[in-house]
Amino acid sequence: GESVGLHLPTLSVQEGDNSIINCAYSNSASDYFIWYKQESGKGPQFIIDIRSNMDKRQGQRVTVLLNKTVKHLSLQIAATQPGDSAVYFCAENNQGGKLIFGQGTELSVKP
Amino acid sequence: GAVVSQHPSRVICKSGTSVKIECRSLDFQATTMFWYRQFPKQSLMLMATSNEGSKATYEQGVEKDKFLINHASLTLSTLTVTSAHPEDSSFYICSALSLNTEAFFGQGTRLTVV
Repeated sequence: GESVGLHLPTLSVQEGDNSIINCAYSNSASDYFIWYKQESGKGPQFIIDIRSNMDKRQGQRVTVLLNKTVKHLSLQIAATQPGDSAVYFCAENNQGGKLIFGQGTELSVKP
Repeated sequence: GAVVSQHPSRVICKSGTSVKIECRSLDFQATTMFWYRQFPKQSLMLMATSNEGSKATYEQGVEKDKFLINHASLTLSTLTVTSAHPEDSSFYICSALSLNTEAFFGQGTRLTVV
């Protein structure tokens, strides 16, 4: 079936470094993707989204890149801070608002 | 952003009993809400789509008689876990769809069945 997956289950970075979290998707018809941050014991928190008519979108300290040719998404976090430590999920927005989540990457920021 | 409230945030129940979880959109109306389940160190798995005024649509493998969903108003959906067993222990999360189809998530409910 269709799935959205991640390459790396864990990522450890030094405070101040940049982080890159990757995601692969399998449904070539997908046209909308979202990155979420989930802290322990909490619900997902919206970070940034991108539509398939774009290759790149920037927010505050975050950038999402979309490569439709290889069906790959990435989330870049600049100057990673301890407060960025969390699990990050990419999600594919299916028809009617259904979200299909990837496996998640746990980001750990070392001070 | 819009606010979605889940209640309770944590619940412990005895095996065989039923537990009701509420999901409320506080500042917008949501004709569609979604229920997810998340086991430790795993991703969110969609359980069902809750539609106001109609029956919920369940994902494959989710027992509709065990996970009862009611969406009686535009701001409230409830998930009742009936005859709960320890394997139902999980983190349950709802999301509500706004008019512009953006999904807003609740803070989740940690269910522990003993």
